[in-house]
Amino acid sequence: ETGVTQSPTHLIKTRGQQVTLRCSSQSGHNTVSWYQQALGQGPQFIFQYYREEENGRGNFPPRFSGLQFPHDSSALNVNALELDDSALYLCASSQRGTSTEAFFGQGTRLTVV
Amino acid sequence: KDQVFQPSTVASSEGAVVEIFCNHSVSNAYNFFWYLHFPGCAPRLLVKGSKPSQQGRYNMTYERFSSSLLILQVREADAAVYYCAGCGIGTGTASKLTFGTGTRLQVTL
Repeated sequence: ETGVTQSPTHLIKTRGQQVTLRCSSQSGHNTVSWYQQALGQGPQFIFQYYREEENGRGNFPPRFSGLQFPHDSSALNVNALELDDSALYLCASSQRGTSTEAFFGQGTRLTVV
Repeated sequence: KDQVFQPSTVASSEGAVVEIFCNHSVSNAYNFFWYLHFPGCAPRLLVKGSKPSQQGRYNMTYERFSSSLLILQVREADAAVYYCAGCGIGTGTASKLTFGTGTRLQVTL
């Protein structure tokens, strides 16, 4: 167990809708990153949040946004869903400055129809 | 473009040593991370670093732009997808990882 949990585990949405995915980080970690893993691909970095501020972003459009809350929770929001957004979404938590290891959750499988 | 390259499939016999090779073109990546991923489970870090290292049955070789994961005494339960990832110095944390597309390990009895 990594101590990182994600919800829901599976989700089906319709094209054009909006979705919010949630992540509970390992206790005490101040950094959370989100990754998108399409079928047959490796995880792709979406963005990272450090102390509730965005701290780096990958090649994803603005309709992908995030929030990091106090007490180890965070969210990934995707607006105007497209079919290509269907993927496994992984969050990873770490403690900046003290550890080089990121602990992953089990992911949320999003299907857009 | 920052990329990490690894074979899509590797096969091994049970009890053997298997090597999974990885190389990258990530401009500021100095550290390698090797993850194990079973479907439906969280990816699990096996071994990491900027020098050769070992964790149990998992050995990691290291060169500036390439690394190999060696799994000793391969077992049927090791059949999974293995991801190589690169992370650079000065990127803040290890969370900004560039992953390869994964190598599926097939184990024959």
